[in-house]
Amino acid sequence: DGGITQSPKYLFRKEGQNVTLSCEQNLNHDAMYWYRQDPGQGLRLIYYSQIVNDFQKGDIAEGYSVSREKKESFPLTVTSAQKNPTAFYLCASSPLGAEAFFGQGTRLTVV
Amino acid sequence: GQNIDQPTEMTATEGAIVQINCTYQTSGFNGLFWYQQHAGEAPTFLSYNVLDGLEEKGRFSSFLSRSKGYSYLLLKELQMKDSASYLCAVRDAYGNNRLAFGKGNQVVVIP
Repeated sequence: DGGITQSPKYLFRKEGQNVTLSCEQNLNHDAMYWYRQDPGQGLRLIYYSQIVNDFQKGDIAEGYSVSREKKESFPLTVTSAQKNPTAFYLCASSPLGAEAFFGQGTRLTVV
Repeated sequence: GQNIDQPTEMTATEGAIVQINCTYQTSGFNGLFWYQQHAGEAPTFLSYNVLDGLEEKGRFSSFLSRSKGYSYLLLKELQMKDSASYLCAVRDAYGNNRLAFGKGNQVVVIP
C-alpha cells in the first residue's frame, strides 16, 4: 500500500542525547516536510525539501538537522542543542504544488 | 515569510453550521489548504483553494479571497465526529514549496 511511514510512534531519550526520527514514503512525492506540534498548538515547520540532496530551513530549524539522500526518505535528527525537544513530530510529503499527506507522527519524550 | 492567523476555539451544536476563519500574509502564494486533526492524530486533508471563490465538497466548503488574504471553512450539518482542530495552511509561491500552518481552531460539537 502507498503511504508515508514514521517510526517509532513513541520515543524516549535521555537529555543530551541525539535522536533520529525516521520518515519514509512510497508515494513518489518530490517534497517532504518536518513539523513540530506542542500541546494545543498548530504545526511549526522545522525543515522541508523539494528535491533529493537539497533542503531548506523552516521557522524553527535550530537544534535540528535533516538529510535527503533518497527521494523516499527524509530523516530528522533532534540534537542535544535543541533546548526543549519533547513534542509531537509530524512528517509529510506532497507532489510539487499539491496537498501534503502526513505520517502518523512520532511522540518524543526527553527525560 | 508567512504569517497565518486563526481564532482558537469555538463550540457549536450538533446539526448547526460553523464558519472557521483564516487570515494570512505571505510574500508569495500558491494555494491554501484546510486540514482536520483529531486529538493525538495526524492531520487529514479537507480542501484546497488557489483561485478566488467557493469550493464545495459535501458538508465542507472553503472560500478564498486572495486580495484580502482571507479564507474560511464552512462546516454544515455538524456531527459529533466533527469535534476536532481545523488547520489552515498556505503554500508559498510556485517554485518554493514551503507549506506553513496556522495554529488551528478547536471546534467542540455538543448535543
